Amino acid sequence: KQEVTQIPAALSVPEGENLVLNCSFTDSAIYNLQWFRQDPGKGLTSLLLIQSSQREQTSGRLNASLDKSSGRSTLYIAASQPGDSATYLCAAPAYNQGGKLIFGQGTELSVKP
Amino acid sequence: ETGVTQSPTHLIKTRGQQVTLRCSSQSGHNTVSWYQQALGQGPQFIFQYYREEENGRGNFPPRFSGLQFPNYSSELNVNALELDDSALYLCASRPSYSGNTIYFGEGSWLTVV
Repeated sequence: KQEVTQIPAALSVPEGENLVLNCSFTDSAIYNLQWFRQDPGKGLTSLLLIQSSQREQTSGRLNASLDKSSGRSTLYIAASQPGDSATYLCAAPAYNQGGKLIFGQGTELSVKP
Repeated sequence: ETGVTQSPTHLIKTRGQQVTLRCSSQSGHNTVSWYQQALGQGPQFIFQYYREEENGRGNFPPRFSGLQFPNYSSELNVNALELDDSALYLCASRPSYSGNTIYFGEGSWLTVV
């Protein structure tokens, strides 16, 4: 049974700092992993989708990595800005259950000016 | 802009009542799934529909039911509302059965009193 964990639950950093958000999953037989952003009271916005054949995926200041053997993914945010303040969620597909996604509880990021 | 719209955005219901939440997906997105997100938690998978048939269900009781229509719209129905049903309900769609980026709507906030 797939379980997804995100640490830390909350993170506060000063503007301009580079930071890493962590995501762990128990079932390494995944075919992709996805990172989402959620602003308060809003829906989820897909940030990056990493296929199992990839080790990294980049979009602007964001870089996500995937290490299936260790059951870990990281989201790296370079030169953080106050506009990056949001909750970041990772999600892995449930094994052999179609499109069902298993989400972590999220990391609430606050970037202080 | 994800192309997934949900209605209503907010609603308040009384315990024991029934509620219908609606979702409109992008044309061609024949897979739709619904998630429940309690405050401070990651989204939990309720069920998924593919070409108007349910093809996956999470750990939710039968009073949670759904429909998908040929025009890429869908509904989530919840009967006999309980206080614990208070949450953000998210609709998500994708263009194929699995493996592609998933697009979420802004959600419907349900408060049960």
